Amino acid sequence: GAVVSQHPSRVICKSGTSVKIECRSLDFQATTMFWYRQFPKQSLMLMATSNEGSKATYEQGVEKDKFLINHASLTLSTLTVTSAHPEDSSFYICSAPGLGVMETQYFGPGTRLLVL
Amino acid sequence: RKEVEQDPGPFNVPEGATVAFNCTYSNSASQSFFWYRQDCRKEPKLLMSVYSSGNEDGRFTAQLNRASQYISLLIRDSKLSDSATYLCVVPEAAGNKLTFGGGTRVLVKP
Repeated sequence: GAVVSQHPSRVICKSGTSVKIECRSLDFQATTMFWYRQFPKQSLMLMATSNEGSKATYEQGVEKDKFLINHASLTLSTLTVTSAHPEDSSFYICSAPGLGVMETQYFGPGTRLLVL
Repeated sequence: RKEVEQDPGPFNVPEGATVAFNCTYSNSASQSFFWYRQDCRKEPKLLMSVYSSGNEDGRFTAQLNRASQYISLLIRDSKLSDSATYLCVVPEAAGNKLTFGGGTRVLVKP
């Protein structure tokens, strides 16, 4: 089946630094990818839709200047958390739609971010 | 009302028993539904898709009730390895965006 990878799997950084997370579709092309955030004991919340070759679409309440998304190719989307703060500590997961009608999505393994 | 709503649980289930739980959705135009399983600190993994009235896969049965706008998941002969959070997921009618329920936690105990 389709595989989506994320890198890094875990990152610890100091407050104020920026962190880049990569999401790759390994054996298929994805013109669209999705970025989610999951806080402890909560469900996944969609942050933004990453569109290849165009601007990302952000969900209400998500700061586009803080969470920079770049979808430079059909297999790579990046999420950069700029000037990270402790409240940005979370589990970040990307996904890419599968092929075919009514298909679900393939999720990356997630990136656990801890901001000190 | 939340778009997708689930009982958070936890459902404490003796090994070998049957457990069932529901998920209600608000968009009557929704056509497809998914149950995902998420283990602690891992990504969600697709368990079952529900397109019509229901679906069965081994010990797992999903049923859709369009009139009352809910889907259910039933697990028979529960195994210890079934302990997880089960996420109800509803795609947007147009496009690929998914809406996740809050998840139902299931704990299977010996």
